[in-house]
Amino acid sequence: EVKLVESGGGLVQPGRSLKLSCAASGFNFNDYWMGWVRQAPGKGLEWIGEINKDSSTINYTPSLKDKFTISRDNAQNTLYLQMSKLGSEDTAIYYCAREISPWGQGVMVTVSS
Amino acid sequence: DIQMTQSPASLSASLGETVSIECLASEDIYNNLAWYQQKPGKSPQLLIYYASSLQDGVPSRFSGSGSGTQYSLKINSLESEDAATYFCLQDSEYPRTFGGGTKLELK
Repeated sequence: EVKLVESGGGLVQPGRSLKLSCAASGFNFNDYWMGWVRQAPGKGLEWIGEINKDSSTINYTPSLKDKFTISRDNAQNTLYLQMSKLGSEDTAIYYCAREISPWGQGVMVTVSS
Repeated sequence: DIQMTQSPASLSASLGETVSIECLASEDIYNNLAWYQQKPGKSPQLLIYYASSLQDGVPSRFSGSGSGTQYSLKINSLESEDAATYFCLQDSEYPRTFGGGTKLELK
């Protein structure tokens, strides 16, 4: 069974950084692009970006490119999202995804003082 | 960026009815369109990919169609479990972009 489990969320103060992880299992992690999507409370979906199999190509949505960094560790079957200079607008559920499917269950990030 | 305009924003229908949801892209996305279903507190689940291909395990009452800039998701013979929010996603160009969502309520 393909499984994606996000972790690392929680409450963080404005201006601080946070790193999310996504542990993958049930498939050959090395064979797939992986990505991140977020959803602010009660809102729609926003694509953050995705990384190719060997990390040589990473695409971001332009508005987030300067504050978010996607990386992966194929030896650990883990995807990461490093977030910096967080603001209240970054409060959301963050989902990791294997290409377009499946998605993880999501992890909540709340930016507040 | 490609803009995805999804309509309607909300929809109310009865059990057994057929409904359609539309997504209009701001430019040709060459059938690179996916549809997702999201229920409260859950992550989105893929229904349709490449505009009209049914994801494994998805009931055949769901179907997708379209080309160029216009795409639609059709749900035949609505069942109670279909109450959810539906999103389209274009994966033709970067950045990927989603439609605004359609909330389907069952009467």
